[in-house]
Amino acid sequence: DTEVTQTPKHLVMGMTNKKSLKCEQHMGHRAMYWYKQKAKKPPELMFVYSYEKLSINESVPSRFSPECPNSSLLNLHLHALQPEDSALYLCASSQDSLRANSPLHFGNGTRLTVT
Amino acid sequence: AQKVTQAQTEISVVEKEDVTLDCVYETRDTTYYLFWYKQPPSGELVFLIRRNSFDEQNEISGRYSWNFQKSTSSFNFTITASQVVDSAVYFCALSGVDNQGGKLIFGQGTELSVKP
Repeated sequence: DTEVTQTPKHLVMGMTNKKSLKCEQHMGHRAMYWYKQKAKKPPELMFVYSYEKLSINESVPSRFSPECPNSSLLNLHLHALQPEDSALYLCASSQDSLRANSPLHFGNGTRLTVT
Repeated sequence: AQKVTQAQTEISVVEKEDVTLDCVYETRDTTYYLFWYKQPPSGELVFLIRRNSFDEQNEISGRYSWNFQKSTSSFNFTITASQVVDSAVYFCALSGVDNQGGKLIFGQGTELSVKP
């Protein structure tokens, strides 16, 4: 079983909906990440939280809004998405984002479809 | 600039065959780390191995082995006696000491299909 838990596993939403993706880890990691992955492509980094503070935003559109309520939880709030935002959204955690040797531990992802 | 190239997009083998997945990287960092991840159809990326730039020893873990060669900037992954459960997309990734706070550079991935 994965140590990073993501909910929901699947999500279908209309372009006017507001929804949230949730991620939880209990490994004591201090860095958490959101990645977006399209079919047949590698994951693309969206956001990095380090010690509960947003440290990287890869120029992600504002219709994606991350939130880190505490060191174990990471949310991604979605609003007014476009069909091209349909993808697998992966959450990951690592001991420390500033340590290049920290491997990422990924969740199973949320498969999002925007209609 | 950092870059990871996995030239093999798809590989198909029959069970029990050995298979090697290639990974070539580019970096100006003298200290860096290389990773392999496995992504089965379920979606989760599973961490397989980490190698640092100062350790060129090859590593074996069961049917998996990794060959790191700095001279050719390669970090290849071999599966011996492949099994159907090895079917997945495999990603090679690179992280430099100056990793800009968590950026991992992924290759494009190699989709391995092991047929019974």
